[in-house]
Amino acid sequence: GESVGLHLPTLSVQEGDNSIINCAYSNSASDYFIWYKQESGKGPQFIIDIRSNMDKRQGQRVTVLLNKTVKHLSLQIAATQPGDSAVYFCAEFPWSGGSNYKLTFGKGTLLTVNP
Amino acid sequence: DVKVTQSSRYLVKRTGEKVFLECVQDMDHENMFWYRQDPGLGLRLIYFSYDVKMKEKGDIPEGYSVSREKKERFSLILESASTNQTSMYLCASRYRERNTGELFFGEGSRLTVL
Repeated sequence: GESVGLHLPTLSVQEGDNSIINCAYSNSASDYFIWYKQESGKGPQFIIDIRSNMDKRQGQRVTVLLNKTVKHLSLQIAATQPGDSAVYFCAEFPWSGGSNYKLTFGKGTLLTVNP
Repeated sequence: DVKVTQSSRYLVKRTGEKVFLECVQDMDHENMFWYRQDPGLGLRLIYFSYDVKMKEKGDIPEGYSVSREKKERFSLILESASTNQTSMYLCASRYRERNTGELFFGEGSRLTVL
């Protein structure tokens, strides 16, 4: 089956630095990817998504990059703030008739922002 | 704002007990989901529901059942709780449109089975 994985389980950065969180996926048929943020004691919260016909998408202080050639996804956070400290999950949303409702989540990366 | 409410934040149950986890959403979403979250394993899908009275197994349905009698409510049932079901349980909902993966999650229910 499909798998979505992360290169690093933890990432520690200084406040104000840029953060890059990586994610690898194995299913070349995957066509839609999402990043979620989960703060301590809360449920995951949608950050940004990207479709496979794009290689970059920007939000407020966040950018997602998609490299389909190497099946790699990354989330870049500009000027990281203490409030960005959380676990970040990538998720894969395959465009297939029977399972287009079913997200596959990666295992998560813990981002710690040091003041 | 969308609100997904899970009835219990923390529960402690004994092995063999029947456990009900309730989830209510207020945005008229068709799809609802139950995940469990364990350290190092991420989020794994237990069951989901397309719409009222509809359900489908996820990746790890063994030991669980669900009920969706009303659109806003999706219940997860552990018929006979076991210690390996100690976990964080997350409910989520979303609009049925095919091309969005945005799920709205509740705060989670942390279940401990002794």
